[in-house]
Amino acid sequence: DTGVSQNPRHKITKRGQNVTFRCDPISEHNRLYWYRQTLGQGPEFLTYFQNEAQLEKSRLLSDRFSAERPKGSFSTLEIQRTEQGDSAMYLCASSPGAAQPQHFGDGTRLSIL
Amino acid sequence: SQQGEEDPQALSIQEGENATMNCSYKTSINNLQWYRQNSGRGLVHLILIRSNEREKHSGRLRVTLDTSKKSSSLLITASRAADTASYFCAAYGGATNKLIFGTGTLLAVQP
Repeated sequence: DTGVSQNPRHKITKRGQNVTFRCDPISEHNRLYWYRQTLGQGPEFLTYFQNEAQLEKSRLLSDRFSAERPKGSFSTLEIQRTEQGDSAMYLCASSPGAAQPQHFGDGTRLSIL
Repeated sequence: SQQGEEDPQALSIQEGENATMNCSYKTSINNLQWYRQNSGRGLVHLILIRSNEREKHSGRLRVTLDTSKKSSSLLITASRAADTASYFCAAYGGATNKLIFGTGTLLAVQP
C-alpha cells in the first residue's frame, strides 16, 4: 500500500510568491480532496475531484487558489500571491467513492515569511 | 466555519484507563467518521458509523451515534501511551458530498 503522497512536506516562501503543491492519491481512488488545517483546528474542506472533474469548491478557496487533477491521477494545488494568512498545513486525501473513509497524506506545511 | 464541536478539547489519562470523547454536529448526516492524527502527520481513519446504526465496535474502539441529538462518542478502552494523539470526528452529509470535521480532542496517555 503506497498510500497518499504529498510533496513537498515543507515550503517556506516570501509573501507575494506563488507556490504549488502536489498530491499523488492511492491509484484506484477516484475521489481526491484538499483540506487546510491550522494549528489546533480540524481540517477545513477546500475542494474535491471525482476523477478529473472538480465538483465542489469551498468559499475559503479565493481566486488566488486553483486546483487541478489532469487525467484523474495526481493533483496540484497552486496559491498565487501568497499572504500571511495562507500559512497552514495543506492536506490531501483520496477515497474510492462518496461517503467512504478517506486516506490522508502527511500534508505540506506552508510558512509565509 | 467548522460544523462539529468536540468535548473535551484536551484529555489526560493514565495508561490502562478508558478515554471518552464526544462530538456534536449540526445537520443531517449519511455517516459519521472518527480520525486520529499524530503531531505533524496526516489523519488516519479509525471507524465509520452509518446514520442508521447506533453503536459500532472495532478492537478497543466503541462508537455510539445519536442522530436525534446530533451527537456521537468515541470510547477507547485500556488506553496505551501510543494512543496519544488528536482525535477528530467528521460528519459526512450526502447533500454536501464532503466531510465536515470537528475541532478535535487532544488525548495524552501517561505511561
